[in-house]
Amino acid sequence: DGGITQSPKYLFRKEGQNVTLSCEQNLNHDAMYWYRQDPGQGLRLIYYSQIVNDFQKGDIAEGYSVSREKKESFPLTVTSAQKNPTAFYLCASSLLAGGHDNEQFFGPGTRLTVL
Amino acid sequence: AQSVSQHNHHVILSEAASLELGCNYSYGGTVNLFWYVQYPGQHLQLLLKYFSGDPLVKGIKGFEAEFIKSKFSFNLRKPSVQWSDTAEYFCAVNAWAGTALIFGKGTTLSVSS
Repeated sequence: DGGITQSPKYLFRKEGQNVTLSCEQNLNHDAMYWYRQDPGQGLRLIYYSQIVNDFQKGDIAEGYSVSREKKESFPLTVTSAQKNPTAFYLCASSLLAGGHDNEQFFGPGTRLTVL
Repeated sequence: AQSVSQHNHHVILSEAASLELGCNYSYGGTVNLFWYVQYPGQHLQLLLKYFSGDPLVKGIKGFEAEFIKSKFSFNLRKPSVQWSDTAEYFCAVNAWAGTALIFGKGTTLSVSS
């Protein structure tokens, strides 16, 4: 089955700790994205990557970091510098970034709670 | 900068009522337009999309949307809602020259049987 997997589904972290959220896709998509979803806020872009070894900051990148060493994988690290990390995190991918017809496909999400 | 505005935060309807959810965007160039739906406990999934051509697009589960370029709008409609349509609906836009989608804040639809 082609798709996007995110793990873990639920994650608990103590304040001051870094934590890494996993995102893997087997759709052979070039572009991958991380969004944060908060109630009443919609989805806000954290980082995106158009191609391996390249990524750009989104609207709310402060306190987050990413890597794109492989086409299939785009892990997100939530650092201790992120002031309000408790949220639902969604990973997405699209065949290409920008241009015509760049429908994004979403993973099931990871709910992060900082204790 | 692009932005997307969804007019209604929470809509409550009875089964068989008609639905229209408003979406307006701000961007002067060519855009791709999307409506996504998030059913309780499920992935965000695509309802329908517009790239070019006929401004009235049909999606899954009887939903349709109309792109009105002069009004920068892409409203979602369904003639008769069902209880199973209870979900959160997101409008999203991206410019052809851009990369990531810009999402609206979402509209929660509650349908009572």
